[in-house]
Amino acid sequence: DIQMTQFPSTLSASVGDRVTITCRASQSISSWLAWYQQKPGKAPKVLIYKASSLDSGVPSRFSGSGSGTEFTLTISSLQPDDFATYYCLQYNSYSRTFGQGTKVEIK
Amino acid sequence: EVQLLESGGDLVQPGGSLRLSCAASGFTFTSHAMTWVRQAPGKGLEWVSTVSVNGGTTYYADSVKGRFTISRDNSKNTQYLQMNGLRTDDTAVYYCVKEGLPGGIYYFDYWGQGTLVTVSS
Repeated sequence: DIQMTQFPSTLSASVGDRVTITCRASQSISSWLAWYQQKPGKAPKVLIYKASSLDSGVPSRFSGSGSGTEFTLTISSLQPDDFATYYCLQYNSYSRTFGQGTKVEIK
Repeated sequence: EVQLLESGGDLVQPGGSLRLSCAASGFTFTSHAMTWVRQAPGKGLEWVSTVSVNGGTTYYADSVKGRFTISRDNSKNTQYLQMNGLRTDDTAVYYCVKEGLPGGIYYFDYWGQGTLVTVSS
């Protein structure tokens, strides 16, 4: 199975900060990577798919990049609604795997 | 509007069984593979199982293989997860999720609200 290593596990930031989260795959997954945002008690919501494609309705301050084994999610200017936990997901194979998650907290 | 409504979560003793259901609407159910993802309390997300569009092909995480069975009834726009031999580490919120594109296995674009399965004596 493909392992996804996501870091940092926790990130403290202020409104307006630029934030970057990284996911590393144990083998090449081409661009088959998605990013999700999850708030407490809610289901995850897709932000980015195919590494860099913004899902419909997602604010443009979110962006994704990378291919192969290294991927990043960037929030260009953190907003109050963005404090949440973020997960990457690889879908290169039927056995999908998530990163461990990054909790973005208020500094 | 896509809707995925899970049901069937409950408190069950170790070794017991439970069947989860997910009623889907708002999209062409027969065109999309369907999946279950779970999240243990305070933990991350774990892919559990996927069923193909016609139900003929199924995939399982190693952690549930041989104990869980995924299926679907396209006449009812519903997928199921039959869980047998439940263990305490199966305790989680189980989400019904839709594959993001027709026909195959992709990312997940829509999620249900989740149903809680608690395995405890």
